[in-house]
Amino acid sequence: AQTVTQSQPEMSVQEAETVTLSCTYDTSESNYYLFWYKQPPSRQMILVIRQEAYKQQNATENRFSVNFQKAAKSFSLKISDSQLGDTAMYFCAFMKPSDLGDDKIIFGKGTRLHILP
Amino acid sequence: NAGVMQNPRHLVRRRGQEARLRCSPMKGHSHVYWYRQLPEEGLKFMVYLQKENIIDESGMPKERFSAEFPKEGPSILRIQQVVRGDSAAYFCASSPFAAALGTQYFGPGTRLLVL
Repeated sequence: AQTVTQSQPEMSVQEAETVTLSCTYDTSESNYYLFWYKQPPSRQMILVIRQEAYKQQNATENRFSVNFQKAAKSFSLKISDSQLGDTAMYFCAFMKPSDLGDDKIIFGKGTRLHILP
Repeated sequence: NAGVMQNPRHLVRRRGQEARLRCSPMKGHSHVYWYRQLPEEGLKFMVYLQKENIIDESGMPKERFSAEFPKEGPSILRIQQVVRGDSAAYFCASSPFAAALGTQYFGPGTRLLVL
């Protein structure tokens, strides 16, 4: 069974700093997707970034980028020039696409990120 | 294009009552997923449905919980005889087709509080 581990329950950084959130996962699959979701106080689940395992290039979305190390099964999220609006819970997640359609997402327990003014 | 809609956003029930949670997927999406988030936890998969079919219910408790996605209308997650441990946020997600490039679009969730 696949598992996702986020070892940092909570982090705080000053506004404008760069912060890295860690995530490791366990799977025997070769083809899968990895995600970072943001959950602000409104508790809406917002997709931040997505990585396909077959792509070697790390995904980037504006100030958000990932460091995907497939062999190490590591998928960290880097937030550059952090902003107050980045304060949220961040979930790392894994999905193995299935021809049967059984593509459920498996989430880590989350990292609570505080951006300090 | 409206996103995934869930209602009610907040639901309060007393122990023993029934809770019905509704999810309207995005237009054109025929795949619906339900997840539950307990306090201070990540989301956990409950059930995956296509129109009129339950594809995978491996994450759903065997008793008191049921889900449907009829040909017409929203998907319904039904919890009978609720207990305090059912208090959680319930999220629905939809996708246009299976393994749709890994993209599931989430609704805003329903917060269920059992008194």
